[in-house]
Amino acid sequence: KQEVTQIPAALSVPEGENLVLNCSFTDSAIYNLQWFRQDPGKGLTSLLLIQSSQREQTSGRLNASLDKSSGRSTLYIAASQPGDSATYLCAPMGGFYKLSFGAGTTVTVRA
Amino acid sequence: DTEVTQTPKHLVMGMTNKKSLKCEQHMGHRAMYWYKQKAKKPPELMFVYSYEKLSINESVPSRFSPECPNSSLLNLHLHALQPEDSALYLCASSQGLASGGQETQYFGPGTRLLVL
Repeated sequence: KQEVTQIPAALSVPEGENLVLNCSFTDSAIYNLQWFRQDPGKGLTSLLLIQSSQREQTSGRLNASLDKSSGRSTLYIAASQPGDSATYLCAPMGGFYKLSFGAGTTVTVRA
Repeated sequence: DTEVTQTPKHLVMGMTNKKSLKCEQHMGHRAMYWYKQKAKKPPELMFVYSYEKLSINESVPSRFSPECPNSSLLNLHLHALQPEDSALYLCASSQGLASGGQETQYFGPGTRLLVL
């Protein structure tokens, strides 16, 4: 069974600082990995999807890297803003349609 | 438009009630999912429909009964639930290509269910 760990569990930074969120997973046989954002009491918003053959994916201020062989992914958020405050979830896809979620990193960006 | 809609937003039901959750998408996606999320926990997959057929059932109790009447609509019928079933129920969809559903999953806002 895929085990997904996200470190740190919580993070508080001043506005403008860069964020680094880490994700590790135990089974490297994955098809892809998705990063999601979840605001309190809301659904999930997809941020980035990295295919297993890719090393990196970028969207605006977001950059995600994937090292499949070592079972690691990192999400970088540049120049953080208060609107970036949310919980960020990492989810590798190990079987058809099956995402395994980490517990998330809760980010607070202070104005 | 990458929107998945869910109704109702909130639902309170007794243990003897029967209710249904509804999920709809108009993106032409052929895979649809139900997830359950308890407070402060990550989502857990319950069911997957692929091309209107049940593809995955993650050993979910029979008091939860999914239905996919057409490619845009997904229902979750609830009967004789327990208080521990109280959670946020999330619906998602993806293109569901022959490659095996490896595409981005798009989530709805969820239905917050309270079982008394």
